[in-house]
Amino acid sequence: DAKTTQPTSMDCAEGRAANLPCNHSTISGNEYVYWYRQIHSQGPQYIIHGLKNNETNEMASLIITEDRKSSTLILPHATLRDTAVYYCTGDKLIFGQGTTLQVKP
Amino acid sequence: NAGVTQTPKFRILKIGQSMTLQCAQDMNHNYMYWYRQDPGMGLKLIYYSVGAGITDKGEVPNGYNVSRSTTEDFPLRLELAAPSQTSVYFCASGLTGELFFGEGSRLTVL
Repeated sequence: DAKTTQPTSMDCAEGRAANLPCNHSTISGNEYVYWYRQIHSQGPQYIIHGLKNNETNEMASLIITEDRKSSTLILPHATLRDTAVYYCTGDKLIFGQGTTLQVKP
Repeated sequence: NAGVTQTPKFRILKIGQSMTLQCAQDMNHNYMYWYRQDPGMGLKLIYYSVGAGITDKGEVPNGYNVSRSTTEDFPLRLELAAPSQTSVYFCASGLTGELFFGEGSRLTVL
């Protein structure tokens, strides 16, 4: 499974784009990258996943570098409800510490 | 669909007691997972299953057992509860890596 590294915390102004990085330099060639978030103490929620190409859905966009060693989750217009812990993970679905995103008014 | 249902939601155990955390899903998912989350920490994978009759260890399996006799159910057994097992336990299911999580079971061992 890909070992992932994420910043511990980030701040973002409400209405601005939030860009959350993840390093996964050990990811294998056919292994997907998944992003989840956990709001307060609820169960984690799936956001998006990708393999090589950039992906977009109604929640977020995922940019994966060409060498696949890192990715960035983009929340285009962050709201206060996006305040959460964000996790990136590989196919084994082993979660690290994640990034605590605080969206501020 | 109820999704992923975990019972109980809260439980207090005495040291040395045993209990089973129940997890059921009605989405016909092959993959099921158990995680624990200690206060202020990330999720740790305990056990997972890729289908009925197949289970495998995750990062922190010691002190736990699982079984998967049906596609729907994936119970987690604690045989001799210890204070270190005080945690929130999450069950999840999915067809691939897109998992659906339950609401969690909060366990305290005193």
